[in-house]
Amino acid sequence: NAGVTQTPKFQVLKTGQSMTLQCAQDMNHNSMYWYRQDPGMGLRLIYYSASEGTTDKGEVPNGYNVSRLNKREFSLRLESAAPSQTSVYFCASSEVIYGYTFGSGTRLTVV
Amino acid sequence: TQLLEQSPQFLSIQEGENLTVYCNSSSVFSSLQWYRQEPGEGPVLLVTVVTGGEVKKLKRLTFQFGDARKDSSLHITAAQPGDTGLYLCAGLRRGSARQLTFGSGTQLTVLP
Repeated sequence: NAGVTQTPKFQVLKTGQSMTLQCAQDMNHNSMYWYRQDPGMGLRLIYYSASEGTTDKGEVPNGYNVSRLNKREFSLRLESAAPSQTSVYFCASSEVIYGYTFGSGTRLTVV
Repeated sequence: TQLLEQSPQFLSIQEGENLTVYCNSSSVFSSLQWYRQEPGEGPVLLVTVVTGGEVKKLKRLTFQFGDARKDSSLHITAAQPGDTGLYLCAGLRRGSARQLTFGSGTQLTVLP
């Protein structure tokens, strides 16, 4: 099925550890996004990539880095995880402004 | 402070009742989208409204974009348990380079 695939689905990290969240889309979309979702906060944009080769900061970029590996793949890296980064992370892609397709999320706990 | 304020935050109703969810802002949006999210899944797009005053219907769901393009509403007629979920509005501001801004969501529970 066409869509956005995120890995892993669940992860527990210790404070200070690093990890990379992977995202791939097979819809040939130009734009890709990383959001985090916290209770009562809705979804907040971490980073986005309007097209292959470009990345830009969103609303809450501190503590994260991203790589647009190619048109299909957009990864999110936590260099030194902190408890404040415990959240559910969603990757999304879009071609036109009229709708995003989201992955099923990565549930990250930092202890 | 949320750019998009949704109300109510929580709503629990009986099957067959009608309900309205509101999404308000002081900012103008070029378009506004509504998503529904179920537990353990990502949000799924329901509708996009683009023109001020626009009304779109999706079966028992009616979406309206305010004339000034600052607010929107979602009305569900004769709610069913399958409508249970988190409803999110999201707006695209002019010049925002395709960045959607999300409201905090309305958690709807429809009891059988």
